[in-house]
Amino acid sequence: KAGVTQTPRYLIKTRGQQVTLSCSPISGHRSVSWYQQTPGQGLQFLFEYFSETQRNKGNFPGRFSGRQFSNSRSEMNVSTLELGDSALYLCASSLVPPGLAYNEQFFGPGTRLTVL
Amino acid sequence: GENVEQHPSTLSVQEGDSAVIKCTYSDSASNYFPWYKQELGKGPQLIIDIRSNVGEKKDQRIAVTLNKTAKHFSLHITETQPEDSAVYFCAALGGYSGYSARQLTFGSGTQLTVLP
Repeated sequence: KAGVTQTPRYLIKTRGQQVTLSCSPISGHRSVSWYQQTPGQGLQFLFEYFSETQRNKGNFPGRFSGRQFSNSRSEMNVSTLELGDSALYLCASSLVPPGLAYNEQFFGPGTRLTVL
Repeated sequence: GENVEQHPSTLSVQEGDSAVIKCTYSDSASNYFPWYKQELGKGPQLIIDIRSNVGEKKDQRIAVTLNKTAKHFSLHITETQPEDSAVYFCAALGGYSGYSARQLTFGSGTQLTVLP
């Protein structure tokens, strides 16, 4: 069974630009969560999608947005990039959201975003 | 919302020794506590988890203990090996917060180095 895939793996942008990151969950998984990982900050929750609906959103500005498609694939978008947005963005998939039932979240390798 | 603190941030041990990583949480409604291991260039991977109705769980060289009264849980790795070197994250599944769905909150991570 293929794991969670994220594209692209690396991205370099300049301040003010926008970026779209993509996540393909494990086949059959309907829940996708996004996290931002920065050194010393651990994993900060961005948002969670389940069956195309956003169930939860973390404490990030409105420049961060996301969506989920009918095939459970998800995208996140960051507009008007700032230097502080440089981070590893991780996507995790599960059968259903962890908040609904105990089930393992599987993480992708992440997209490394660098903002210059 | 939930707040998870993790200590230490870095830990070096000699091969064969034990390693202990500790986390505290704030939300008394939290009832699920997974631990993840993240190797260089990869996404986090679940290594063990514990639910609030259990005080301890073991899986070969790895064990997790939970003290609900004190709101802390710990990861114990015995007979450490060089391949145990990685970043370890604890997490807690908090209760409902207003209209928000339950979500996992992660600690800031521990860089474990096993010296040969």
